[in-house]
Amino acid sequence: DTGVSQDPRHKITKRGQNVTFRCDPISEHNRLYWYRQTLGQGPEFLTYFQNEAQLEKSRLLSDRFSAERPKGSFSTLEIQRTEQGDSAMYLCASSFGDSYEQYFGPGTRLTVT
Amino acid sequence: GENVEQHPSTLSVQEGDSAVIKCTYSDSASNYFPWYKQELGKRPQLIIDIRSNVGEKKDQRIAVTLNKTAKHFSLHITETQPEDSAVYFCAASYRDDKIIFGKGTRLHILP
Repeated sequence: DTGVSQDPRHKITKRGQNVTFRCDPISEHNRLYWYRQTLGQGPEFLTYFQNEAQLEKSRLLSDRFSAERPKGSFSTLEIQRTEQGDSAMYLCASSFGDSYEQYFGPGTRLTVT
Repeated sequence: GENVEQHPSTLSVQEGDSAVIKCTYSDSASNYFPWYKQELGKRPQLIIDIRSNVGEKKDQRIAVTLNKTAKHFSLHITETQPEDSAVYFCAASYRDDKIIFGKGTRLHILP
């Protein structure tokens, strides 16, 4: 499969626990984006990387959220001390070079109980 | 900040008829306008896009128009089919930056 992949696809956690999600972009895509989507809404931008550099973070990304892309390939998104309001679909997308087109992964659905 | 407004939130059309979804954007620097289709439980899929140096683009039954002066852009689907039923998102972006999405239009194709 040459598309964007995300792992896990579903995660149920208790409030206060830490969770980590992984995104593998399309091979050779140098830009990687994280979005969050809640029910009935469009995806909301969280952060993005060009290679290993994190270039922008949304105000939505509180101090409990951190993202990394250490080798410029896969990325991880960690949420510490999860809250019920963190329940959402976390989507990853990637794009290549000067192309504006972003291709999305299947998402990780997080449920915080 | 950047904002994208999308209308209507729900649209029902008879199979074979046309559907039109309209969006406005706030950031005049936006120069890329993608449209995504999202089926229930699936990832958003890019169906068509337009850049600010073009006023219209067509791909088979789908067309997009852009009015930069008014900061409006629209999606037109002709000869609608049952498989067109989904949520459609308009979006705006500046260069290769983050995409700002509208809230979506749920399109129902009636038999």
